[in-house]
Amino acid sequence: DAGVTQSPTHLIKTRGQQVTLRCSPKSGHDTVSWYQQALGQGPQFIFQYYEEEERQRGNFPDRFSGHQFPNYSSELNVNALLLGDSALYLCASSLATGGNQPQHFGDGTRLSIL
Amino acid sequence: AQSVSQHNHHVILSEAASLELGCNYSYGGTVNLFWYVQYPGQHLQLLLKYFSGDPLVKGIKGFEAEFIKSKFSFNLRKPSVQWSDTAEYFCAVNFGGQNFVFGPGTRLSVLP
Repeated sequence: DAGVTQSPTHLIKTRGQQVTLRCSPKSGHDTVSWYQQALGQGPQFIFQYYEEEERQRGNFPDRFSGHQFPNYSSELNVNALLLGDSALYLCASSLATGGNQPQHFGDGTRLSIL
Repeated sequence: AQSVSQHNHHVILSEAASLELGCNYSYGGTVNLFWYVQYPGQHLQLLLKYFSGDPLVKGIKGFEAEFIKSKFSFNLRKPSVQWSDTAEYFCAVNFGGQNFVFGPGTRLSVLP
């Protein structure tokens, strides 16, 4: 049973560039959430996608955008990268939306901004 | 603002010692509560969850947690830790909607 898979594992970008991160949810899951985890901190909620729509968004600027495809996979796009965007980006999937659905996490994409 | 705090940044224990990790949240309404663990080099994994009912919930690997509504707390416990419990532990709270708020994490080091 495939878990949550994320690509790439590591990414190095420079300020001002754009980046796209990808996530395939656990088999059978239809909801994808994205988190940013800075070093030494807990994951911070970016947004959640369900039925190809953004359902809820955390306190992140519009430079952070996303997309969900019909096969439930998802992308996170970040434009105009800043040094502060350096972090581990986590994708989590669950079955349907709702706060009582535990989330299954991928290994993350480590993004470094130079 | 909705927030989750964890009492300890780093806890160091010897094997067989008892463990209690504190978690408090800021909201007084209905919440869903979770503890996640991240072993070195691995992804976050669910340890246990609480939605309703018995406030003492049991999870995997001998962990349990107690929800005390009056204290807005959801502390994680284990009677006897093992070296393999060395990991980072995160408390997470759903305050309604789709947003999960995570605490800053507690690093547990168990000495053999």
